Amino acid sequence: DQQVKQNSPSLSVQEGRISILNCDYTNSMFDYFLWYKKYPAEGPTFLISISSIKDKNEDGRFTVFLNKSAKHLSLHIVPSQPGDSAVYFCAASARSTGTASKLTFGTGTRLQVTL
Amino acid sequence: NAGVTQTPKFRVLKTGQSMTLLCAQDMNHEYMYWYRQDPGMGLRLIHYSVGEGTTAKGEVPDGYNVSRLKKQNFLLGLESAAPSQTSVYFCASSYSPIRHEQYFGPGTRLTVT
Repeated sequence: DQQVKQNSPSLSVQEGRISILNCDYTNSMFDYFLWYKKYPAEGPTFLISISSIKDKNEDGRFTVFLNKSAKHLSLHIVPSQPGDSAVYFCAASARSTGTASKLTFGTGTRLQVTL
Repeated sequence: NAGVTQTPKFRVLKTGQSMTLLCAQDMNHEYMYWYRQDPGMGLRLIHYSVGEGTTAKGEVPDGYNVSRLKKQNFLLGLESAAPSQTSVYFCASSYSPIRHEQYFGPGTRLTVT
């Protein structure tokens, strides 16, 4: 049972345009969401996060939007750059349960930014 | 400051062999995790630790054991490797459950033949 879903395995965007990566979740206990970026042969690196008390968080070119009623979040990258080409993972956690920051990951979306 | 390191980077095992993967972090993090990544599956939590001397099961713990004898190290053991354990293994650490950002190592690619 995939609790965090990234339904688009891949996305291609032109340099300078906006990249929008989507993520859906089913567990209503999730209250903290993160995006990670992964280059080949490297570990994932943290990109941006959002708490369920917010609906938007911005960090430079990256903005995450959260729609709790739809159980949907999205990552916007503006403007997209060739160095953004990577696999992006959405992750979620339920901070109110358990003692560790256990993350549930989506299957990832491969973003390719073309010249 | 090396962050999270993993040893080895690559390994090939025969079915039934055993091995230990080592994870080390120099950020003084309390929490450490082991994940596996398989094609089309995302990252799945194998075991985790909330502090020195503690371990707990994650989503896919069968066939693995872990130990956290020192705060900076988290070991993942395979007692009798199976082809289904062919995967890329990532170790991660985090400071606290309040901030959920985890810092990942570069991964170990394990092939079991």
